[in-house]
Amino acid sequence: DTGVSQDPRHKITKRGQNVTFRCDPISEHNRLYWYRQTLGQGPEFLTYFQNEAQLEKSRLLSDRFSAERPKGSFSTLEIQRTEQGDSAMYLCASSLVLGRISYNEQFFGPGTRLTVL
Amino acid sequence: DAKTTQPPSMDCAEGRAANLPCNHSTISGNEYVYWYRQIHSQGPQYIIHGLKNNETNEMASLIITEDRKSSTLILPHATLRDTAVYYCIVPRSGGGADGLTFGKGTHLIIQP
Repeated sequence: DTGVSQDPRHKITKRGQNVTFRCDPISEHNRLYWYRQTLGQGPEFLTYFQNEAQLEKSRLLSDRFSAERPKGSFSTLEIQRTEQGDSAMYLCASSLVLGRISYNEQFFGPGTRLTVL
Repeated sequence: DAKTTQPPSMDCAEGRAANLPCNHSTISGNEYVYWYRQIHSQGPQYIIHGLKNNETNEMASLIITEDRKSSTLILPHATLRDTAVYYCIVPRSGGGADGLTFGKGTHLIIQP
């Protein structure tokens, strides 16, 4: 257990439905990351936050995806109008970044496995 | 992130040292080398990182060549629990604080 929790652990939905996932990072960590992982591939970066500010979004993050971290603590990732291609493991990670340049590790949660039927 | 090349899979006998290679020939002078691993059905786990000098922690050792174009992760006494996919990453920002590019990694299988 890394201290990063994700909820739910599994989600099955029908195509066209909206889904929302939650991530609770390690409490003192100021950065929070979202990744997506499909079968047989490594995790792919989606977006990250520094406190409540969303600092970077990958081109993988289509308009149907939105992430928030309103109070700089937990984060939510919403997928609207889900498609079968959205089926994947969604991973959250957090880290503590101090100063302009940081050499640090990211702590990953167990992931939320999404299946779109 | 600088491109890295790893063998897709490797076997190692339990109790032996597992040596996992990584090529990163386009690495820049201020870019670190990071290693993560992912055990089946879990999130990735940080192992170690380094810049120029060899590094060692409780999990592994990292040997970086003098020209920094390649590195080797060493698990000194591999156990069955070390079976996992190992990712070598050179983050584009130098450090590991931005989004990481994982690639496909090396699937290490520890044989009893």
